[in-house]
Amino acid sequence: KAGVTQTPRYLIKTRGQQVTLSCSPISGHRSVSWYQQTPGQGLQFLFEYFSETQRNKGNFPGRFSGRQFSNSRSEMNVSTLELGDSALYLCASSFGAGGSHEQYFGPGTRLTVT
Amino acid sequence: GDSVTQMEGPVTLSEEAFLTINCTYTATGYPSLFWYVQYPGEGLQLLLKATKADDKGSNKGFEATYRKETTSFHLEKGSVQVSDSAVYFCALSKVAGNNRKLIWGLGTSLAVNP
Repeated sequence: KAGVTQTPRYLIKTRGQQVTLSCSPISGHRSVSWYQQTPGQGLQFLFEYFSETQRNKGNFPGRFSGRQFSNSRSEMNVSTLELGDSALYLCASSFGAGGSHEQYFGPGTRLTVT
Repeated sequence: GDSVTQMEGPVTLSEEAFLTINCTYTATGYPSLFWYVQYPGEGLQLLLKATKADDKGSNKGFEATYRKETTSFHLEKGSVQVSDSAVYFCALSKVAGNNRKLIWGLGTSLAVNP
């Protein structure tokens, strides 16, 4: 079974631009979560989607948005990029939206904002 | 609110040394507990989990016991290898109605020297 894939793996953008990151979950998984990982803040939860609906949302500004498609693939968009958005963005999938929360992570997208 | 506290790193050990990474949590109800590992340049991988009090999770020589009386889930390994060098994350999961929360520790970096 293929793992979680994220594209692109690396991205360099300029302040003020916008960016879209993509995540394909493990086949059969319907839940996709997004995290931002930085050395100073650790792993911070952005949002979770299940069956095309946002189920949970972290404390990030509205510049961060996401969506999930009918095939469970998910995209995350960040508009008006700031230097502080430079981070590793991780996507994780899981089978359901309840019960024990075993997540499978992709390798991440390294975003650098200059 | 719910939280996870991990011992601060970095932890530096010699090969074959005994490893303990402390993790304590604060949560109401009956959370599930997890240890994830992140190897350099990769996403997170589930290392082990425990879903109820006194459960012991184990994998690849690592163990952790869910101690409700001390609200702890310390990670241990009897003899570490250089290949265990990674960042280790403790996390808890709670389900409340249709929503679930996954709360992460800040991670503990482990470096094992030959």
